Amino acid sequence: DQQVKQNSPSLSVQEGRISILNCDYTNSMFDYFLWYKKYPAEGPTFLISISSIKDKNEDGRFTVFLNKSAKHLSLHIVPSQPGDSAVYFCAAMDSGGSNYKLTFGKGTLLTVNP
Amino acid sequence: NAGVMQNPRHLVRRRGQEARLRCSPMKGHSHVYWYRQLPEEGLKFMVYLQKENIIDESGMPKERFSAEFPKEGPSILRIQQVVRGDSAAYFCASSPNNYEQYFGPGTRLTVT
Repeated sequence: DQQVKQNSPSLSVQEGRISILNCDYTNSMFDYFLWYKKYPAEGPTFLISISSIKDKNEDGRFTVFLNKSAKHLSLHIVPSQPGDSAVYFCAAMDSGGSNYKLTFGKGTLLTVNP
Repeated sequence: NAGVMQNPRHLVRRRGQEARLRCSPMKGHSHVYWYRQLPEEGLKFMVYLQKENIIDESGMPKERFSAEFPKEGPSILRIQQVVRGDSAAYFCASSPNNYEQYFGPGTRLTVT
């Protein structure tokens, strides 16, 4: 039972354009969401997060949008740079639980072409 | 402020041996999480610890796996009598507040 789904295994964009990575979730108890970037043979790097009380959070080139009614979130990267090429993981948390564990999607491989 | 440290980075064990994976959280972080990533999969939660306490081990197999976070020293994930299916990348994360979790570089375990 996959509670966090990233339906696009890969995405390819041109340098300077917008990258949009999507994530859907099924557990209505999730109320905190995070995006991580991961290079091969390294650990995930935290990028940006959003609480369910908001519908948008922005940090530099990264913006996360949350649509609670659709149980959908997306990460926008503008402008995309070749160094952004990595696997991006969406993760979700039920902060009302006692363990704060993250549930991850399977990831989307982003390739930014020069 | 150094990041989360994990060692070893690579570990090769024969079937039946024990594997010990170590994690030192970021300074000031008292929450430690262990996750496992199998090939082509996302990370899966294993266990959540605070100093000297296991808070949630619901993601950890009941047999052969154990974890600790002693008062002094790193957190340890221990796998006894390893099998080929234990081959994976094991990531530790630490958090100051239970929200943002910061990950270490991982230990890649190969069981031959």
